[in-house]
Amino acid sequence: EVQLVESGGGLVQPGRSLRLSCTASGFTFDDYAMHWVRQAPGKGLEWVSGISWNSDDIGYADSVKGRFTISRDNAKNSLYLQMSSLRPEDTALYYCAKGQGFTLLDSLDYWGQGTLLTVSS
Amino acid sequence: QSVLAQPPSVSGAPGQSVTISCTGNSSNLGAGYDVHWYQQIPGTAPKLLLYASTDRPSGVPDRFVGSKSGTSASLAITGLQAEDEADYYCQSYASSLNGRKWVFGGGTKLTVL
Repeated sequence: EVQLVESGGGLVQPGRSLRLSCTASGFTFDDYAMHWVRQAPGKGLEWVSGISWNSDDIGYADSVKGRFTISRDNAKNSLYLQMSSLRPEDTALYYCAKGQGFTLLDSLDYWGQGTLLTVSS
Repeated sequence: QSVLAQPPSVSGAPGQSVTISCTGNSSNLGAGYDVHWYQQIPGTAPKLLLYASTDRPSGVPDRFVGSKSGTSASLAITGLQAEDEADYYCQSYASSLNGRKWVFGGGTKLTVL
């Protein structure tokens, strides 16, 4: 059974940094692309970032480019999102999602339950 | 405003059919990129409903049918059931001078009357 478990969310002040983690199980992690998608309270889905199976292809939404860094450790079956210069508008539930294939072009076939980030003073 | 335009809401009675549209442009759907659809029941994580415009993952009923033409795509749901009440999102890839990225539609809330 595919499982994706996010962690690292919480309350943080504007301008600070935080790292989210996603631990995967139930599939061969290094065969698939992985993504972060967020959802602000009461709003729709927003793709944040994605990384191919071997980290050669990485993409970011314009809203986070230059502030967020995605990475993965295939040996630890883990995905990360390093977030800096956080803003109140980054407040959201952050989902970790598995790509259906090894490239960034594939759909997201499994999602975690999310970790909540609140940016507020 | 989302890059992919969806109607905010649709509704239908049990047993009826509804269609949800997803309208893009030449940098996403019109560039030949696939569209994917997700279903999100309130309070839960999104679930992949359709991929590559028309394909259903295992376990998704054939009441859910996708299509794509040019810069538009649509999701048709036939034989509406109470359990179909949820938010539906389309997703595609987009290319621009700023690079490549995924884009979601704004979401459509389906109410089963």
